[in-house]
Parts: sequence; C-alpha cells; structure tokens
Amino acid sequence: DVKVTQSSRYLVKRTGEKVFLECVQDMDHENMFWYRQDPGLGLRLIYFSYDVKMKEKGDIPEGYSVSREKKERFSLILESASTNQTSMYLCASKEAGGGGEKLFFGSGTQLSVL
Amino acid sequence: AQSVTQPDIHITVSEGASLELRCNYSYGATPYLFWYVQSPGQGLQLLLKYFSGDTLVQGIKGFEAEFKRSQSSFNLRKPSVHWSDAAEYFCAVGLLVKAAGNKLTFGGGTRVLVKP
Repeated sequence: DVKVTQSSRYLVKRTGEKVFLECVQDMDHENMFWYRQDPGLGLRLIYFSYDVKMKEKGDIPEGYSVSREKKERFSLILESASTNQTSMYLCASKEAGGGGEKLFFGSGTQLSVL
Repeated sequence: AQSVTQPDIHITVSEGASLELRCNYSYGATPYLFWYVQSPGQGLQLLLKYFSGDTLVQGIKGFEAEFKRSQSSFNLRKPSVHWSDAAEYFCAVGLLVKAAGNKLTFGGGTRVLVKP
C-alpha cells in the first residue's frame, strides 16, 4: 500500500522555536509538496520539490524553508515559529509529469505555536 | 496567476438528495482540473480529474464532474448522497511549472453536511 508518512500528528511549539516537520514517501515519487490548510482558505502551497536538492517556492513561502537531501524525504522548516504559523500542514507526493498526476497526501500535522 | 474559487463554504443536504458543488477557475488555458475529498481526520483523496476529451468525467464513489469552458467551471455532482459523503471537498487546478515538476492550486473548500 502506497504511503506518505508525516512524522507527527500533533505538535505544540513555542514562539521563536525552530520547528522541523518531516515527510517520507515510499513510492519513489519525484515531486513532493508542502501545503498548509486553514479554514476557508483551502490548501496553500508553501514549497515544492521536483528532484533531490531542488526546490521551488510556492504561494506562501515566507517564514519557511525546506530540505530534500534524499528522494523519499521532504522536510519543512520553520526557522523561528510564530503564532500565525499555527495551522494544519499537509505533505504530498506524485510522479513527475505534465500536471495530471494524482497527488498522494499524508494525514497531516496539526501545529500549534504558543 | 491562476486561481480557484469555490463559492459555497458550507452545504447541507439530506441523505438521498442530489448534490452539486461549484468550482470556477481563472487561467489563460485549460489546465488540469481535479476534485479531492477530505474526510474528517484524513488526508485528501482524489475523486476525479479532467484535462481533455469528454467534458463529463466519472469518478469514484459515484461522483461526476462537468467541465464547461465557456463558464470556466468544473462543478461536482452526485445524484444521491450517502451519509458517508459528509466531508470537505476541494477543487484544484494543476499547472506545468517546470519540465519535471508542476503544482496544484486549491480552492477554499466546501464542507458538506448530510442530514438523516
């Protein structure tokens, strides 16, 4: 069974902390994505990666960075967490292609920044 | 920049009744179009997608969607709703960004409540 696994389901951090959200996929997918989900705003793309060590900014990259050292792992980093980064974070992966490929999602990490 | 609008934030429907969820997109060409569903506490699951060909697309769980180029719409329908269809539904647009990569832009979502 194909899987995208996010390391934590719930996370509570303090303002100013450095936060790492980890995502691992077992499908040998080239593309990986980080979204945040907020009520009424849907899913907004933070960063995506189309190859190892390659990354592209999404629509809301400010305050975030990413790392992709291995094909199966895509990490989202909050350099200095702030309360407005309290959100549900979703990782996804898919095969490379022209845009019609199915996204596989993890179950999400609910991050609370106090 | 592309955008996706789902005008209805919440919809309540009786079990057995029909359901239609609206989606409008803004883009210069016809992009890939998707509908995803998110059940409570779950990640998102693909219901169906469209790029070309027949404008009426069949998906899983008895859902279908119709692409209307003139209206830039891709509305999702189900003839008879089951209680298990209570979930949040997201319309999305897929665009090629680089030769080996592309991204999806999602709408704000529509939460569907099903009354017994």
